Amino acid sequence: GAVVSQHPSWVICKSGTSVKIECRSLDFQATTMFWYRQFPKQSLMLMATSNEGSKATYEQGVEKDKFLINHASLTLSTLTVTSAHPEDSSFYICSTEGQGVKNIQYFGAGTRLSVL
Amino acid sequence: SQKIEQNSEALNIQEGKTATLTCNYTNYSPAYLQWYRQDPGRGPVFLLLIRENEKEKRKERLKVTFDTTLKQSLFHITASQPADSATYLCALDMSPAGGGNKLTFGTGTQLKVEL
Repeated sequence: GAVVSQHPSWVICKSGTSVKIECRSLDFQATTMFWYRQFPKQSLMLMATSNEGSKATYEQGVEKDKFLINHASLTLSTLTVTSAHPEDSSFYICSTEGQGVKNIQYFGAGTRLSVL
Repeated sequence: SQKIEQNSEALNIQEGKTATLTCNYTNYSPAYLQWYRQDPGRGPVFLLLIRENEKEKRKERLKVTFDTTLKQSLFHITASQPADSATYLCALDMSPAGGGNKLTFGTGTQLKVEL
């Protein structure tokens, strides 16, 4: 498996501010990480695929200038929600591919973002 | 369009009984299907992966079946316990070329096991 640490677990911010969420792979080097968003009672929606050393690949409808992803090392990917607004309030979760079976994903504990 | 459907209504069962959850998909032929467990306010946890050439897979009290003709997977928890209460998600790689690693998740079924 893989151990993924995500911080912070909960953040409250004012509208217009930017928030950075960190996702760390603790026990192996993750060339690929995934960022999801989940609204209450809904499924996980893939936002982007983060690739170490290159630009992230964003899913259709996700604004790359609003959700900045940086994957500068094999153990850390960050998601920055820029100029956050109340509609960005959601549960953000990162994951990495499994070390053995790549199809399996291992998730962080998630970050609850509340924008006032 | 490609779609994954799970029972949106919560499933309440009595402790000790077998819980059966359903995952149906359309317009796709996945090479494998996965099941995850998600507790409130937490990220999903991988449970089982079943490949297209496997009819059934077991892990302790869990059993997954995969019928590629019906485009359906069933997830069973035998001798259910209150600790099994959670939301269970099925997931497929629905990238057009297949063989990728981008998962599409169903909406999940919330299971509640009562004493």
